[in-house]
Amino acid sequence: GQQVMQIPQYQHVQEGEDFTTYCNSSTTLSNIQWYKQRPGGHPVFLIQLVKSGEVKKQKRLTFQFGEAKKNSSLHITATQTTDVGTYFCAGPIAGTYKYIFGTGTRLKVLA
Amino acid sequence: DVKVTQSSRYLVKRTGEKVFLECVQDMDHENMFWYRQDPGLGLRLIYFSYDVKMKEKGDIPEGYSVSREKKERFSLILESASTNQTSMYLCASINRPGPYGYTFGSGTRLTVV
Repeated sequence: GQQVMQIPQYQHVQEGEDFTTYCNSSTTLSNIQWYKQRPGGHPVFLIQLVKSGEVKKQKRLTFQFGEAKKNSSLHITATQTTDVGTYFCAGPIAGTYKYIFGTGTRLKVLA
Repeated sequence: DVKVTQSSRYLVKRTGEKVFLECVQDMDHENMFWYRQDPGLGLRLIYFSYDVKMKEKGDIPEGYSVSREKKERFSLILESASTNQTSMYLCASINRPGPYGYTFGSGTRLTVV
């Protein structure tokens, strides 16, 4: 079945360092979504990418969708303690509203 | 803002009990989902519903059933709770894909003893 893998599973960084998480799908995706879950909270939608090679920015966060639409990345520049949480990517099952979530990358930022 | 409300934040139930987890959304969304979240496994889809009385199995439906009698309410039922169903349960809704994504409820942490 369709799978969405994410690496790394955990990342500890010093405050001010950059951070990247990578997402890979076993199938071509029509779009990819990214979510953030704060400790003790629920996933919150961040962004959706649709086009091949698309790059979108939200302040210090840069999201990229691969040319083949099978992979994506989230890069955070100069991390802050407020960036702590788990970041998930999610891709749809073709023709449905069902999304398969990656296993997530848990980010810890050390002050 | 869309709100998805789950009835309980924490729940402790005994093995063999029938458990109901309730989810209500207030934005007339057609599609509703139940996921469970376990460390290292991410979010796994249990069931989803695309309309009243319509349901479809997700990846891990065994031991669960669902009910959607009204558009705003989607219930997850554990017919006979077992310890391996101890988990965080997340309800989500979406009207149609777009730059919006799922809206999740706050989750129910269920412990089966």
